[in-house]
Amino acid sequence: GAVVSQHPSWVICKSGTSVKIECRSLDFQATTMFWYRQFPKQSLMLMATSNEGSKATYEQGVEKDKFLINHASLTLSTLTVTSAHPEDSSFYICSAAGEGVSGSDTQFFGQGTRL
Amino acid sequence: GENVEQHPSTLSVQEGDSAVIKCTYSDSASNYFPWYKQELGKRPQLIIDIRSNVGEKKDQRIAVTLNKTAKHFSLHITETQPEDSAVYFCAASRGTGGYNKLIFGAGTRLAVHP
Repeated sequence: GAVVSQHPSWVICKSGTSVKIECRSLDFQATTMFWYRQFPKQSLMLMATSNEGSKATYEQGVEKDKFLINHASLTLSTLTVTSAHPEDSSFYICSAAGEGVSGSDTQFFGQGTRL
Repeated sequence: GENVEQHPSTLSVQEGDSAVIKCTYSDSASNYFPWYKQELGKRPQLIIDIRSNVGEKKDQRIAVTLNKTAKHFSLHITETQPEDSAVYFCAASRGTGGYNKLIFGAGTRLAVHP
């Protein structure tokens, strides 16, 4: 149990285009999902927290108009990088927390998306 | 603000030796402390976690200790094997589980040499 699937695993895009990344909890209902960004050989930096059906809470310094987050259902959250530019290149990882995961309420991570 | 410091940044051991990674947190309201293992290009995998009502937890070769007074917690890996080589991250959060945001340490790159 506790499988989180992220798609796509990698994406290449032209400057100025938008990229959508999906994060799905496959075998549990994720009431809360988190989006992280990770630069090479660095730690995970939290970008935002999203709860199903409500607006995401962004961390300080993260542009909410640049990184659009939608958490429309208990199994799906999406991150859209709008007007992507080279400085947005990074490894984006989602995590999910929810009930029904063998009694655990910890966070489980998707496999990441390399943009 | 909330901060988690992790040491050392790199650790090299011989197979069979023990490895210890230490973390210190700043937010006294933190009460959940997971450890994640991340192999190159892959997702972080939870290996062990501890909550503030427990001082120590063990799972086979892996153990975690927590000192709430000093605000630090440590990961202990015994009888290390080459497949333990990876980057290990500690984290801290408020609340009792995954619904609260995790503050990650900078990571420790562990290399286990045969």
